[in-house]
Amino acid sequence: GAGVSQSPSNKVTEKGKDVELRCDPISGHTALYWYRQSLGQGLEFLIYFQGNSAPDKSGLPSDRFSAERTGGSVSTLTIQRTQQEDSAVYLCASSLDRTFEAFFGQGTRLTVV
Amino acid sequence: GENVEQHPSTLSVQEGDSAVIKCTYSDSASNYFPWYKQELGKRPQLIIDIRSNVGEKKDQRIAVTLNKTAKHFSLHITETQPEDSAVYFCAASGAAGNKLTFGGGTRVLVKP
Repeated sequence: GAGVSQSPSNKVTEKGKDVELRCDPISGHTALYWYRQSLGQGLEFLIYFQGNSAPDKSGLPSDRFSAERTGGSVSTLTIQRTQQEDSAVYLCASSLDRTFEAFFGQGTRLTVV
Repeated sequence: GENVEQHPSTLSVQEGDSAVIKCTYSDSASNYFPWYKQELGKRPQLIIDIRSNVGEKKDQRIAVTLNKTAKHFSLHITETQPEDSAVYFCAASGAAGNKLTFGGGTRVLVKP
């Protein structure tokens, strides 16, 4: 079936605007992760969902960042009042469970100008 | 929660030589240890994983070893080729409530 799908693929936004990034995980996958990756850097953990609940939000950089997951499926990452330092690739991953292979989406490249 | 340390951060090897990347983890209850490869401009993809009931696993030129007592695991790539050039991430998971946690990554460059 289809893999993890993220939209949009690219987003250019003006500083101070809000943005929403969407992740459609693989059907049946209960675990869902959001990561941020700046150019040439590692995977910065943002938030982990198990079903609809988020047992680990420790990676969200500030209260401008929030995420939700509805119906145990689609997840949305919202960044309010975007700043230039928010520019990065935002990756979503899903897995059957946290002890199974995580499949990554293609990412959303966010540029704040 | 789990903490995963990965070394080295960069590794340059001559084509045909072996490459070894090492990771340590903090939670002795972790029982799943995957390795991901991320090529330039692409998403990370699983290349091999190991569970705590085995000590070693091989798949062609790559192998992973696990030492649960010492809480470390390693990735071994033999007969390296230019297409092995990428960033490699280790990860650990399994302890109750613990998410999949990634190491900081190793940038591997295979010189022809």
